Parts: sequence; structure tokens; C-alpha cells
Amino acid sequence: QKEVEQNSGPLSVPEGAIASLNCTYSDRGSQSFFWYRQYSGKSPELIMFIYSNGDKEDGRFTAQLNKASQYVSLLIRDSQPSDSATYLCAPGGYQKVTFGIGTKLQVIP
Amino acid sequence: GAGVSQSPSNKVTEKGKDVELRCDPISGHTALYWYRQSLGQGLEFLIYFQGNSAPDKSGLPSDRFSAERTGGSVSTLTIQRTQQEDSAVYLCASRHPGGKSYEQYFGPGTRLTVT
Repeated sequence: QKEVEQNSGPLSVPEGAIASLNCTYSDRGSQSFFWYRQYSGKSPELIMFIYSNGDKEDGRFTAQLNKASQYVSLLIRDSQPSDSATYLCAPGGYQKVTFGIGTKLQVIP
Repeated sequence: GAGVSQSPSNKVTEKGKDVELRCDPISGHTALYWYRQSLGQGLEFLIYFQGNSAPDKSGLPSDRFSAERTGGSVSTLTIQRTQQEDSAVYLCASRHPGGKSYEQYFGPGTRLTVT
């Protein structure tokens, strides 16, 4: 089992809809998670991190962490075409960090 | 402040040549990571530095790959006798030493093409 699993997509949603991106992980010791956004041809940029069970909201983005079920998700409300990118999740860690393969999101105008 | 910088931004080399890729982390960031991203693929971990030491070299694909870091700052990734399968974007990231969060800040990458 891979450390971090993501559906590679593409996930297509209409503009204005909610996009739901999911990530499961195998290491029960993981305490925090990050969501990075990567536009085509660009480097990943951090958009959210979460280290507590439950939800964390930041503008149109909500990260959800469920340690018992070992999944973390990212919800994007009112999706915009500019949100079209690949979203990578990764456990926070002091040393080696394994990124998920990333989910490609396409927001259709 | 200044972010992570990498040089060169693009490198085209002939098969069999050696290449050096450079990363300048954010000032004060003690941790530094190298990743490789082939076209349409995810991030592949290569190596991690804490200060000048590399506790984890497990991701280096072969002994043609090596990396060093000096003065706790600049890092160089060297690929010897390059092969076509080495063609990828090589990304460097750095991380602040403290706090609850361990977010990494990425540089713009070096696109390596081996012909």
C-alpha cells in the first residue's frame, strides 16, 4: 500500500460547484497534512495545512481530517476556472515526505 | 523575502554528460529537499538534508545521482553520465526548522532534457 493515495482524476466540475478532493494515508502516526496546488508547468504551492481532526476553513477552501478513518479531504466551494490545477496531498513530516500523485481538477466554465 | 531559487531554469545536455543543479533555500531554512517530477507524474522524493547532513538518501535512483549541501545553505544535485530517463523537472524545497507546521516552499525547478 502506498503511503498516500489519491485518485489521479481528472475530476471535472462546473463553475460554481463544490469540488471534493480526497486523500487516504497508511501511517497512523501522521499528525498533520498539507494540500498543495500545482498549475501546469509550475511548482507546487501550499494552500492549506491541517493538524487537528475536523475541519479547517480558509476562504473558499475547507480541509477535513479524519484520523480514525485515515483520510483527508479538500473542499473547494464556488469553484472557478482558475482553480483548475493538480492538487497534491502530503503528510507533514520532519524528514522524508511522500506526496500523493495528485488529483487533476478541471473546472468547466 | 526571497523564495527558493534554482539554477539553471532549463538545461539541455547530451546523454553521457554530467550536470549540476543548484538550489538556494530560503534564508534560515535548515531542511532542504530534492524531488523529481517526470512529465505528467507525481513528485518523486530524492533526498533530504537537515543542515549539511543527509539522513535520508533512499530516493536517489542510482549511484549516478549525488547531492551535497554546504554551509547549511546552498545545495547541489549532481547527475553523472546522464541518461534520457533522467529528463524531468527537478524541484527543490526548503522548510523552516520550527513550529507545528512542516510546510515546504518550492523553488521554480530546473527542467532537464537529456538528448
